[in-house]
Amino acid sequence: SQQGEEDPQALSIQEGENATMNCSYKTSINNLQWYRQNSGRGLVHLILIRSNEREKHSGRLRVTLDTSKKSSSLLITASRAADTASYFCATANAGNNRKLIWGLGTSLAVNP
Amino acid sequence: EAGVAQSPRYKIIEKRQSVAFWCNPISGHATLYWYQQILGQGPKLLIQFQNNGVVDDSQLPKDRFSAERLKGVDSTLKIQPAKLEDSAVYLCASSSSGQGLTRETQYFGPGTRLLVL
Repeated sequence: SQQGEEDPQALSIQEGENATMNCSYKTSINNLQWYRQNSGRGLVHLILIRSNEREKHSGRLRVTLDTSKKSSSLLITASRAADTASYFCATANAGNNRKLIWGLGTSLAVNP
Repeated sequence: EAGVAQSPRYKIIEKRQSVAFWCNPISGHATLYWYQQILGQGPKLLIQFQNNGVVDDSQLPKDRFSAERLKGVDSTLKIQPAKLEDSAVYLCASSSSGQGLTRETQYFGPGTRLLVL
């Protein structure tokens, strides 16, 4: 079963612009993770934010988490053509917090 | 550090045939996962191993899918007999038994793309 729902399903921007993707989930979580998938490098972990955190940064990535709204956002600043990929949020619930439940993903196209 | 290895990368079979996929996780990683990813969707967990024991196989169609990790290292996933709807990418991932972030992050292999005709 899918837990997260990413929004938008697809996004097309120009190089240098910022890209924002949103994720909503249904149940209480231990942490929320963002992954990127492209044909060249497969599925790669980007960033993890815990349920008691509100914001995290990693390079050009900024993730926010609002547990009251059960939502998260991923911001990619100064996008590059190499950022073209599908982005997935995945949630780990209390209990088996290694088990991830995944959303459907946002397909991002960064045009040169 | 070598990544998660999977083979084969591609497989085409006819329905009702059987197929097997192999995965070798990152050295020392105790937890191994098999996922099914249908085109346009996120990965769906089929089975999770901790060493050679099953932690979660609630979404594994046990009438046709089986998986084993006999020595707690590499693993095989088998489908017998295959159906058209099994066409998907089968991803293997592993995570370490350490604490914190390394324990919770999953590292993925390149996947096996299966086409059932």
